[in-house]
Amino acid sequence: AQSVAQPEDQVNVAEGNPLTVKCTYSVSGNPYLFWYVQYPNRGLQFLLKYITGDNLVKGSYGFEAEFNKSQTSFHLKKPSALVSDSALYFCAVRVLPYGNNRLAFGKGNQVVVIP
Amino acid sequence: NAGVMQNPRHLVRRRGQEARLRCSPMKGHSHVYWYRQLPEEGLKFMVYLQKENIIDESGMPKERFSAEFPKEGPSILRIQQVVRGDSAAYFCASSPPNNQETQYFGPGTRLLVL
Repeated sequence: AQSVAQPEDQVNVAEGNPLTVKCTYSVSGNPYLFWYVQYPNRGLQFLLKYITGDNLVKGSYGFEAEFNKSQTSFHLKKPSALVSDSALYFCAVRVLPYGNNRLAFGKGNQVVVIP
Repeated sequence: NAGVMQNPRHLVRRRGQEARLRCSPMKGHSHVYWYRQLPEEGLKFMVYLQKENIIDESGMPKERFSAEFPKEGPSILRIQQVVRGDSAAYFCASSPPNNQETQYFGPGTRLLVL
């Protein structure tokens, strides 16, 4: 079954330092991978996606993610974290090929950016 | 262009009552997805609908839960005879017919069953 794993529960980083949120995937075939961010009591906001093409994907709010096929990873990165980046981050994968677009989510990573 | 709208934002029900959650997709979006988020967990897929059709309901509990997306009006997720374990945040997402990969989420309905 298509799935993603987010191995860390919480990521703490000082403001201004690089931020990395890890995600590994398990799929058959070519993966469609996504990152979403959730602020308290809010819905999920789309950050970026990898479908095909360049392994480095740039998204909203200065975030980017690198697709690594050999390591089956899709880590989210930001060069310089802001306090406002503190939120819950979800990695997701599309479950089935064409015709069904439902997503399977990881358990989420709480990111805390320390001023 | 308004985003995905969900109402109510908060819903309190007593055990045995019915809960009706509404979702209005973004303008021009014809695909709707419902997900449930239990406390301290990620989102779990429930059902995928297009106008007047249920495409995939493999994530829906077999009893008490139903969903519809009529030709006119919002999508409805209905939970009959609610139990405490139904307490969760229910999120709706929508996508347009020509770009189905990206789903746009609403703010969610937080259901509390007393």
